[in-house]
Amino acid sequence: NAGVTQTPKFQVLKTGQSMTLQCAQDMNHNSMYWYRQDPGMGLRLIYYSASEGTTDKGEVPNGYNVSRLNKREFSLRLESAAPSQTSVYFCASSEEGQGVSGYTFGSGTRLTVV
Amino acid sequence: AQSVTQLGSHVSVSEGALVLLRCNYSSSVPPYLFWYVQYPNQGLQLLLKYTSAATLVKGINGFEAEFKKSETSFHLTKPSAHMSDAAEYFCAVRVDTGRRALTFGSGTRLQVQP
Repeated sequence: NAGVTQTPKFQVLKTGQSMTLQCAQDMNHNSMYWYRQDPGMGLRLIYYSASEGTTDKGEVPNGYNVSRLNKREFSLRLESAAPSQTSVYFCASSEEGQGVSGYTFGSGTRLTVV
Repeated sequence: AQSVTQLGSHVSVSEGALVLLRCNYSSSVPPYLFWYVQYPNQGLQLLLKYTSAATLVKGINGFEAEFKKSETSFHLTKPSAHMSDAAEYFCAVRVDTGRRALTFGSGTRLQVQP
């Protein structure tokens, strides 16, 4: 029972480097999300995708881009990493049907930018 | 726009004592409300959710929460704390208009003393 899988689990980048965080879900969910978690601030929405082929900005989109490659995969790209992007990143997915679904979260990617 | 306030970033209780974690929400339309738990270095696990059915919601691990519209609250309780309950707890809100992503509170870290 995989659920939501994120890779990598840990990453150290130098300022200015780029990288892509990968996320895949196997629950056939339409909606996917990227959050970042910082101490004392809870989780803040970076981008979300309501369905395949659509993406929208969340609360803190600056410095990030996303791609909804297909229904399963939703990637987050940092084009030029900054120390302010040091954080734990969570991907999540959900499905709307009868009533409100739960949201399934991945185990996170811990990113450090030096 | 909806928002969530969690009162108390740290709560400490003795083993066997009542656990009360506070959550107040702000929403102009009927909300859906969630509580998640996060153990160290792990992802988020759903404890319970309110979806406009019964106002008293029972979740996993003996936790429950009561939706009080007049107080705009959704406090989490457990009658008797266990050492294994030590974790960070997040309250989250979602509404059915526009963006359907979760909006999180800043979290409450629960410490359980022997």
